[in-house]
Amino acid sequence: ETGVTQSPTHLIKTRGQQVTLRCSSQSGHNTVSWYQQALGQGPQFIFQYYREEENGRGNFPPRFSGLQFPNYSSELNVNALELDDSALYLCASSLAGREPNSPLHFGNGTRLTVT
Amino acid sequence: AQSVTQLDSQVPVFEEAPVELRCNYSSSVSVYLFWYVQYPNQGLQLLLKYLSGSTLVKGINGFEAEFNKSQTSFHLRKPSVHISDTAEYFCAVITNQGGKLIFGQGTELSVKP
Repeated sequence: ETGVTQSPTHLIKTRGQQVTLRCSSQSGHNTVSWYQQALGQGPQFIFQYYREEENGRGNFPPRFSGLQFPNYSSELNVNALELDDSALYLCASSLAGREPNSPLHFGNGTRLTVT
Repeated sequence: AQSVTQLDSQVPVFEEAPVELRCNYSSSVSVYLFWYVQYPNQGLQLLLKYLSGSTLVKGINGFEAEFNKSQTSFHLRKPSVHISDTAEYFCAVITNQGGKLIFGQGTELSVKP
């Protein structure tokens, strides 16, 4: 059983640039959620994708956008990067969809540094 | 809206001692509760979950947690910790109607020899 994989593991960008983070979900999982974890904080929900459609969004501006592909992999795109976007970005897959009790399975994250 | 409060940001403890990491939640509807562990430079790993039924749930690595509805708490316990338990622990809640999984701020467990 293949777990959740994220790429790249580390990334350094300059303020104002755009970034794309990628996630491959665990085999058999149809739902992907993205979280932002600032240093010393708990993960904050960005959005969730189920069957290629956004299925809930947290308190993040529109410059945070995403996609889910037919194979359930996903991308997180962030435009016009700001210094406060520096964080660990976590992807999690699940069988959730409309089932909230399905646990999330997390990848190891992408560490984004904005300078 | 739901919220999660982890009452201790850091818990230092000696090896083989018992430990309790405290978690309180707030919600106007029924919830599902989870504990996750995060080792350095890694993602989160599920320790245990409470969905329904028995209020005492057992998880991996010898951890257990007790759901207390009247006190809206879900404290995590282990009777004897190991050095390898040193990590960040997160309590999380989601309502039974769906929505987003909400995490607490985390508790750093530091096990010393």
